[in-house]
Amino acid sequence: GESVGLHLPTLSVQEGDNSIINCAYSNSASDYFIWYKQESGKGPQFIIDIRSNMDKRQGQRVTVLLNKTVKHLSLQIAATQPGDSAVYFCAENRGSRGQNFVFGPGTRLSVLP
Amino acid sequence: DSGVTQTPKHLITATGQRVTLRCSPRSGDLSVYWYQQSLDQGLQFLIQYYNGEERAKGNILERFSAQQFPDLHSELNLSSLELGDSALYFCASSVASAVQNEQFFGPGTRLTVL
Repeated sequence: GESVGLHLPTLSVQEGDNSIINCAYSNSASDYFIWYKQESGKGPQFIIDIRSNMDKRQGQRVTVLLNKTVKHLSLQIAATQPGDSAVYFCAENRGSRGQNFVFGPGTRLSVLP
Repeated sequence: DSGVTQTPKHLITATGQRVTLRCSPRSGDLSVYWYQQSLDQGLQFLIQYYNGEERAKGNILERFSAQQFPDLHSELNLSSLELGDSALYFCASSVASAVQNEQFFGPGTRLTVL
């Protein structure tokens, strides 16, 4: 597959450790946020979402935290596995009527054996 | 496999030309979205269609246009191509038009403008 964003910030973690990927967003009016995972040569894949009236949401092995005060979003992956290696994007919806998602630059997660 | 198909997988063309990218959504999905992913600008939302009608517009250039047909497949037309239009173009689909409806992305079309 082809790589996207060859010069993305990279987070390297040991297999089995927890990963934390951070994202800063810019629009205080954004009301909905999504984390996507993109593996090499594939399209983005939905991981988890959160509305602006929440500060935490948990899924299977993943947790998203939202801090509206500092406009910060994080994705925590528990017990990171080799299959988690990918580029992770946050997206904020800035649309006041309907969709207008703005995506972060992405972070490459590399899981070490 | 997300169930969204895109053709062609790769496209190489010259500046000034026009191309059409095609997307077939997942069975039952009424909304189609187009995105551009480039090295310098990252992933950008271009446009959304719902059941044949334009629903939302993002950073889509005037040289670009899209439509969704009665059978719900969609086409993205790119004209007067420039070198900077070289990118991955993704189509996504969702069951309805709400922001919270999960979008399923296709494998993308890689456009190279020479």
